[in-house]
Amino acid sequence: GQNIDQPTEMTATEGAIVQINCTYQTSGFNGLFWYQQHAGEAPTFLSYNVLDGLEEKGRFSSFLSRSKGYSYLLLKELQMKDSASYLCAVRDSNYQLIWGAGTKLIIKP
Amino acid sequence: ETGVTQTPRHLVMGMTNKKSLKCEQHLGHNAMYWYKQSAKKPLELMFVYSLEERVENNSVPSRFSPECPNSSHLFLHLHTLQPEDSALYLCASSQFTSGRAYNEQFFGPGTRLTVL
Repeated sequence: GQNIDQPTEMTATEGAIVQINCTYQTSGFNGLFWYQQHAGEAPTFLSYNVLDGLEEKGRFSSFLSRSKGYSYLLLKELQMKDSASYLCAVRDSNYQLIWGAGTKLIIKP
Repeated sequence: ETGVTQTPRHLVMGMTNKKSLKCEQHLGHNAMYWYKQSAKKPLELMFVYSLEERVENNSVPSRFSPECPNSSHLFLHLHTLQPEDSALYLCASSQFTSGRAYNEQFFGPGTRLTVL
């Protein structure tokens, strides 16, 4: 079966750095997405990785290792507004998105 | 403003009611999706409409019935639902390009459905 694993919840301190991991086992791979979802709101697109390596976008970076079936989302200089759920999703060989259950990130002052 | 709107935002219905959820996208996309989001569970893809072709998850019960009259509008018709169908129902759209490349999806704010 297809599976995406992420930690259920993480806590970090304002101004710090946090890394949210995602491991996947899917039938084929055609890219990995990270989305942010604030409570009661729509998920919004953060990043996309299809090749190995690090993609940096401001305070957020996303890393992919296809051979290890692994990705992480790195958030720097954490702000209170970064408190949200972070969803990892992999596009499989049929170009369908397989979603993880999301990681709830709690930022403390 | 994500460009994808959904109505209603909240819906409470009895098990014998019939209701419909509506989604509209203003992004010029050619693919639209219905997802079910339950607490602490992965997003569950229910239906996809792309280039007027429907793809569905075979595990979705027949009490959920989608309708896509054009590329901008998507409905989810609900009838004789069960309490376990209570969840957040999200609509999304994306652009499908040649070579079966679906680009990133843009989500609506969702409809919070409670079935009594």
